[in-house]
Amino acid sequence: DAGVIQSPRHEVTEMGQEVTLRCKPISGHNSLFWYRQTMMRGLELLIYFNNNVPIDDSGMPEDRFSAKMPNASFSTLKIQPSEPRDSAVYFCASSLGAGSYEQYFGPGTRLTVT
Amino acid sequence: AQRVTQPEKLLSVFKGAPVELKCNYSYSGSPELFWYVQYSRQRLQLLLRHISRESIKGFTADLNKGETSFHLKKPFAQEEDSAMYYCALSPPGGYQKVTFGIGTKLQVIP
Repeated sequence: DAGVIQSPRHEVTEMGQEVTLRCKPISGHNSLFWYRQTMMRGLELLIYFNNNVPIDDSGMPEDRFSAKMPNASFSTLKIQPSEPRDSAVYFCASSLGAGSYEQYFGPGTRLTVT
Repeated sequence: AQRVTQPEKLLSVFKGAPVELKCNYSYSGSPELFWYVQYSRQRLQLLLRHISRESIKGFTADLNKGETSFHLKKPFAQEEDSAMYYCALSPPGGYQKVTFGIGTKLQVIP
């Protein structure tokens, strides 16, 4: 199993552009999480899904951020329009679901907004 | 509100010296507590969780409810322990919202 897959691994874009980050969770996992990692704030939970349904999006910084999970094997995190302060590493993680707490992380997407 | 505090951003120790990575939490109730580790060029991964009461790679962590702490300890540091360590907290059962601390970078000096 390749584990959680994220694409792209690196993204450089200009301010104002739309950015879409993608995640494929581990097959059979029912929960999916999006995190943002920065030097100043560490690892922050943005949103998570249980059985494809968004449960808590209180960590989403503002309306420029949106996330979807159209099916059990795919999720996207979109930033529109992007700003330089969005530069960070974005991680996706998945877990089996209720009763199992270990999260399996993807390799992350390093986003740079210039 | 649940909160995790890791007071040290960087901890440098010599090889063979004891290691203690501090973690304090704020949560009304009995949370689940974890340590995650990220080695250079590797994915963030679970190191240990308090309910397992196990030792992984020589590391242990004891939950102290009175002090609301979950410090990570190892008696003798090894160079391969150099990594980023995150303490994390989750409510028991239910929706698994995990709150991570800011992380501590452990640097083991040869």
